[in-house]
Amino acid sequence: EVQLVQSGAEVKKTGESLKISCEGSGYNFNTYWIVWVRQMPGKGLEWMGIIYPGDSNTKYSPSFQGQVTISADKSINTAYLQWSSLKASDTAMYYCARRLTLSGYFDFWGRGTLVTVSS
Amino acid sequence: QSALTQPPSASGSPGQSVTISCTGTSNDVGGYKSVSWYQQHPGKAPKLMIYEVNKRPSGVPDRFSGSKSGNTASLTVSGLQAEDESDYYCSSYAGNNIYVFGTGTEVTVL
Repeated sequence: EVQLVQSGAEVKKTGESLKISCEGSGYNFNTYWIVWVRQMPGKGLEWMGIIYPGDSNTKYSPSFQGQVTISADKSINTAYLQWSSLKASDTAMYYCARRLTLSGYFDFWGRGTLVTVSS
Repeated sequence: QSALTQPPSASGSPGQSVTISCTGTSNDVGGYKSVSWYQQHPGKAPKLMIYEVNKRPSGVPDRFSGSKSGNTASLTVSGLQAEDESDYYCSSYAGNNIYVFGTGTEVTVL
């Protein structure tokens, strides 16, 4: 069974750092890209960036370049999204999803990680 | 990269059809076959409903169909059912390994 298991909800203060994770199982993790998607409260989906765990090839949306870091550890089938200094505006649900190489769609999604940032 | 434009809402009675548009540019929707649609129920993760403009993943009812003309893609839900009430998002490849989502459409079954 394909699973993308995301880490649990986080409550942080502005200025703190954070790293959330997305662990894949039930499929060959190294043949799929992992994408990160933000959904702010009551808002739509925003594409943040994508990583190929096999070689850590990464691409960011211009809107998120420099704001977050996407990484992966293929040895443990896990992708990460991290912030060095959180802002209140980072409060959102963050989803990971997988994309098969050479395809253009996201066929399986994690359940999301809720990040709440307060001052 | 600007979000693709979708109508904020759409509605229909049970059994009727509803069509949602997704308008982009020649740099995204119009330039590639990689248009997909996602259904998101409140508090749930998105679910892939249509990929490559008009293909349905296994398990998605054939009431859901997709098409594209120029810079605009469309999702049609025929024979509306109560469980189709949800938010729907389109997505398109925009070149250089970048993707963009639509603004989202809330579908109401009257």
